[in-house]
Amino acid sequence: ETGVTQSPTHLIKTRGQQVTLRCSSQSGHNTVSWYQQALGQGPQFIFQYYREEENGRGNFPPRFSGLQFPNYSSELNVNALELDDSALYLCASSLGMGQANEQFFGPGTRLTVL
Amino acid sequence: GNSVTQMEGPVTLSEEAFLTINCTYTATGYPSLFWYVQYPGEGLQLLLKATKADDKGSNKGFEATYRKETTSFHLEKGSVQVSDSAVYFCALSGPSGNTGKLIFGQGTTLQVKP
Repeated sequence: ETGVTQSPTHLIKTRGQQVTLRCSSQSGHNTVSWYQQALGQGPQFIFQYYREEENGRGNFPPRFSGLQFPNYSSELNVNALELDDSALYLCASSLGMGQANEQFFGPGTRLTVL
Repeated sequence: GNSVTQMEGPVTLSEEAFLTINCTYTATGYPSLFWYVQYPGEGLQLLLKATKADDKGSNKGFEATYRKETTSFHLEKGSVQVSDSAVYFCALSGPSGNTGKLIFGQGTTLQVKP
């Protein structure tokens, strides 16, 4: 069974650029959630996708957007990058979106904005 | 809104010492509660969970009991090992809506010395 994978591992961008992060969910999982983890902080919920539809969004501006594909993999897009966007971006997959469902996390993508 | 507060770290213990990491939460109704662990350079792994009041979650010698009356979910282990050194996150999900989004505390770093 393949776990959650994310690409790339590390990324360096400059202010104003756009970035796309990718996530492959664990086999059989139909729900993907994205989190932003600033250095020394707990992860913050960005949004969740269930069967290709956005299903819940945290307190992030519209320049954070996403997609989920028919194979349940997902992308996180961030436009007009700001310095504060520098963080570890975590993807998590689960089977369904119930509050008790275990979410399986990928290793993350470390984004640095200069 | 819902929130999670953890004791500040770092926590430094000698091998075989007793561990307690305090976690309290604010939420309406009955959320599900989780402890996740993050080893250096890795993503988050679920350590244990509890989905209703008075439930005890346990795994790998770690335990936590869902206390509705004190809104707490403290993590304990009777005898820590060097391999337990990691960052521990308390989190909740629910109870309103069905997104299953996780709200994390800020994390507690545990360092165990031989």
